[in-house]
Order: sequence, then C-alpha cells, then structure tokens
Amino acid sequence: KNEVEQSPQNLTAQEGEFITINCSYSVGISALHWLQQHPGGGIVSLFMLSSGKKKHGRLIATINIQEKHSSLHITASHPRDSAVYICAVSRHTGNQFYFGTGTSLTVIP
Amino acid sequence: NAGVTQTPKFQVLKTGQSMTLQCAQDMNHNSMYWYRQDPGMGLRLIYYSASEGTTDKGEVPNGYNVSRLNKREFSLRLESAAPSQTSVYFCAGKKWTGNEAFFGQGTRLTVV
Repeated sequence: KNEVEQSPQNLTAQEGEFITINCSYSVGISALHWLQQHPGGGIVSLFMLSSGKKKHGRLIATINIQEKHSSLHITASHPRDSAVYICAVSRHTGNQFYFGTGTSLTVIP
Repeated sequence: NAGVTQTPKFQVLKTGQSMTLQCAQDMNHNSMYWYRQDPGMGLRLIYYSASEGTTDKGEVPNGYNVSRLNKREFSLRLESAAPSQTSVYFCAGKKWTGNEAFFGQGTRLTVV
C-alpha cells in the first residue's frame, strides 16, 4: 500500500470551475507538499504545510492532521493550470519523501 | 542562483551503453536525491545522499550507481542501460533544516 494516496487520478474541468484534488496519507509527517508538473516540464513546489491553510493567488491548500488528509483547491481554473499535481509528505525521522502518483488536470477553454 | 541543474535534458541510449546523469545545486543543500518517474507509479527514490560523502539506496537502486562528488554535485550512473530504465529522472536537493525540496528540470532517457 502506498503511504500517500491521491484522488482523482485524472480530472477534466471547464475554464472557471472550482477544482479540488485530495490527498490522504497513512504515516506520521513533518510536512505535506503540493507539487506541480507541467507537461514535459520540471517539478515545482507550490505549497509546504504542516497545519491549517495556505493561499497563493488562486491556489489554496489545506491540511487536517488528525484526519491525515489534505486538499488542493484551484479557484476560477484556467487552461494554464493544466498540469500534474503531486502530493508528497516528509517525515520526522529519516530523510526521504513519499509521493502520491499524481493527479492529471486538464482545464478546457 | 540556478537552483538544481540537471544535464542532459534528453538522452537516447542503446541497450548496454553507459552514461552518467549530472546534477548540481547552488542552494547549499545538505541532502540530494535521484528519483525516477514512470507513468502511474509516481516518483520512486533510486539513491539519496544525506550529506557529502554518504550515499544510500532507495526503493529502486538496481542497475544504478551514484557519486556525491562534493556538496554541490550528485551524479547517477547507468553502467549497462536496459529498456526498463527508460524513464524521466529527477534530481532534488534539501537542507537539513526545513522540509522543502527543490527539483531539477528532469532528464528524459530512452533506452532502445
């Protein structure tokens, strides 16, 4: 079983829609990360959070430590948001990250 | 300040050929990582280096070797490439303090 599970695997939305991507994890963590990867591109960090909520522009990330669950929301989605979104966790012990398999988002004009 | 730089960006190898993927960072990262990314499998750790002079196996080390040449550089070597090693390879770095990782742009490797 993967330590990090994401849903959905694939998501298609109309421009302007509100989008939610979910991430659940099964291990104790020091931080949760949301990463973005555009087609053929590198991986960039969107958020790192260990509690509560963070907002950057139209992107919002929340985490519930008790439920071991995080969500990434995109408001007023745009075709340039089309990318793979990856959830990852880092743990208190060890030096490694654990990754979800990613959510492929396509926003149609 | 270039961040994490990987070379090459693209490579095609014939089965049995060898090559080294280079990774360099100028962010004073203590730890560095090599991952491979395959469809439907997410990022899997090949090797990592917690600090200069140390390396450890990750989840999928077979067929690979690494060298942490100095604090800045962490290379990944394929001694005898196989088609199963066709993948996208990412290097990443992280400081001991803080949890944020920084990724390179990836190397798209095809073994024919």
